[in-house]
Amino acid sequence: GQNIDQPTEMTATEGAIVQINCTYQTSGFNGLFWYQQHAGEAPTFLSYNVLDGLEEKGRFSSFLSRSKGYSYLLLKELQMKDSASYLCAVRGVRGGGADGPTFGKGTHLIIQP
Amino acid sequence: ETGVTQTPRHLVMGMTNKKSLKCEQHLGHNAMYWYKQSAKKPLELMFVYNFKEQTENNSVPSRFSPECPNSSHLFLHLHTLQPEDSALYLCASSQVAGGPDTQYFGPGTRLTVL
Repeated sequence: GQNIDQPTEMTATEGAIVQINCTYQTSGFNGLFWYQQHAGEAPTFLSYNVLDGLEEKGRFSSFLSRSKGYSYLLLKELQMKDSASYLCAVRGVRGGGADGPTFGKGTHLIIQP
Repeated sequence: ETGVTQTPRHLVMGMTNKKSLKCEQHLGHNAMYWYKQSAKKPLELMFVYNFKEQTENNSVPSRFSPECPNSSHLFLHLHTLQPEDSALYLCASSQVAGGPDTQYFGPGTRLTVL
């Protein structure tokens, strides 16, 4: 089976840094995604990791450790518009066939002034 | 039109009705997906189509019936639904299924079953 855990809710202050963690247990591993979803809107892609290490993209960075089944999304210089849900998704490998990723429940991030 | 579009955006139906959700992607992708998003639950993958062939059905009840006539269009036919089927139904596409490609999501159809 596949299991993905991330905190339900986090609160941070405008201008600060926040780290959202994600742990996973999957049948094989073929990449980890982070998506951002504002209330009432579709998820939008933030980052993709398939090898261990840190991927940096502007104010957002994502880290992966495959041996630990662990990833985090780091958001710097937080802005009010960063208030959203952040979804961790893992693509496993099942039966060798085409596969859709499995999503965690998402972390609702609240940015306070 | 660009990206992934879905119609209708909102749908209210009775348990005996038959309705269809439509998804269209203008990205030249070959894989399309249906997801269900309920409150307090993770996105649940329902169906995957790769090059018009269904490659995954995540034990979805038969009252949900997908159709993929070509790589750009995906339908979800609904009949005799239950109130617990009320949710946001999201369509997504990617270059191919099973690869590292990013999924692009449509805005979703908010479904209410009375």
